[in-house]
Amino acid sequence: AQKVTQAQTEISVVEKEDVTLDCVYETRDTTYYLFWYKQPPSGELVFLIRRNSFDEQNEISGRYSWNFQKSTSSFNFTITASQVVDSAVYFCALSEGMDSNYQLIWGAGTKLIIKP
Amino acid sequence: ETGVTQTPRHLVMGMTNKKSLKCEQHLGHNAMYWYKQSAKKPLELMFVYSLEERVENNSVPSRFSPECPNSSHLFLHLHTLQPEDSALYLCASSRYHTGAYEQYFGPGTRLTVT
Repeated sequence: AQKVTQAQTEISVVEKEDVTLDCVYETRDTTYYLFWYKQPPSGELVFLIRRNSFDEQNEISGRYSWNFQKSTSSFNFTITASQVVDSAVYFCALSEGMDSNYQLIWGAGTKLIIKP
Repeated sequence: ETGVTQTPRHLVMGMTNKKSLKCEQHLGHNAMYWYKQSAKKPLELMFVYSLEERVENNSVPSRFSPECPNSSHLFLHLHTLQPEDSALYLCASSRYHTGAYEQYFGPGTRLTVT
């Protein structure tokens, strides 16, 4: 069965520290997609990244980086030099292939608190 | 306007009221979604529309009734709700309804049922 686990319920760090949010997934499909979303206190879910199962290259976007490792079924997200504006709930999600009946499987989210 | 908009942003309704939530996407997408987000619970998919046809209805009670008159607009009609229906209702859209495309979300409607 599909499953996404974000074991860290809440993380609190001081501004400028680096922080990694963990995401572990389960799927039997060989074609799948992984996503990260950010939900700030305003409530809107903001898309951050999509990664397909055939592309294991790590991705860097400014202070954000993602480490996709199929061997450990993980898709971790690192924020370098964290800022107060990074405070939000972060969700990892999984979808399988092109099935017309697919659903995004969401993790429970990790609440990230960046203290000034 | 750009992206996905939702109105109203906040709604308080009694259990006997009838109200509607509105969602509009300005992204030219073909699929739209309603989600429910309750405290301490994972995001719950409620309904999916693809090219204005409902393709998913995740055992949602009939007191929630969706409507998709065109690919840019999505409504959620509410009637005789229960207090446990209080939640953040999020609308999203994606280019197509397949696993390959990311979803873009609106700001949500915070619903309180009294």
